Amino acid sequence: AQRVTQPEKLLSVFKGAPVELKCNYSYSGSPELFWYVQYSRQRLQLLLRHISRESIKGFTADLNKGETSFHLKKPFAQEEDSAMYYCALKDQGAQKLVFGQGTRLTINP
Amino acid sequence: DAGVIQSPRHEVTEMGQEVTLRCKPISGHNSLFWYRQTMMRGLELLIYFNNNVPIDDSGMPEDRFSAKMPNASFSTLKIQPSEPRDSAVYFCASSLTALLNTEAFFGQGTRLTVV
Repeated sequence: AQRVTQPEKLLSVFKGAPVELKCNYSYSGSPELFWYVQYSRQRLQLLLRHISRESIKGFTADLNKGETSFHLKKPFAQEEDSAMYYCALKDQGAQKLVFGQGTRLTINP
Repeated sequence: DAGVIQSPRHEVTEMGQEVTLRCKPISGHNSLFWYRQTMMRGLELLIYFNNNVPIDDSGMPEDRFSAKMPNASFSTLKIQPSEPRDSAVYFCASSLTALLNTEAFFGQGTRLTVV
């Protein structure tokens, strides 16, 4: 069965430091992976998707099929990056979106 | 389009009472999802619909929970009777699954507190 694991519930780094939020998945097919972000008092929204290979707000994520990972990275954290981050996998057969448990990122000044 | 609209935004109810959460998806979207968010378990998929038909309700915790989608523009999630452990934020999301790699759009959520 499809499963998304985010091992860190809380992550705290200083402003300007690099950030890496971990995400591992298990899925038998070809995965479609996303990162969603929820800023304080805002709705959950898409940050980036693996197929686009894009960089959004300085964040990137590379799909590593060998390690079944899709870690989210940013070289220099900013205070406005503080938020809840969810990794998600789309089960293409069932057409449903499965989320990890989420990581609360706090950027300290 | 105003996006996915959920009501109410906040609900406080007494244990044993019936609770109904409402969702209006984005017009034209054919998939609708109900999620529950808690500190301990993160975002859990409760049920999802495709073209108004329930496809997978394996995430519904127990028979006290039920969901309907009578038409393409409206869905409800009902808890009867409610219990304190149901306290959480409930999100509705919609997407257009006909396209590959489409994102899900979320509502603002309903914060439910059962006392």
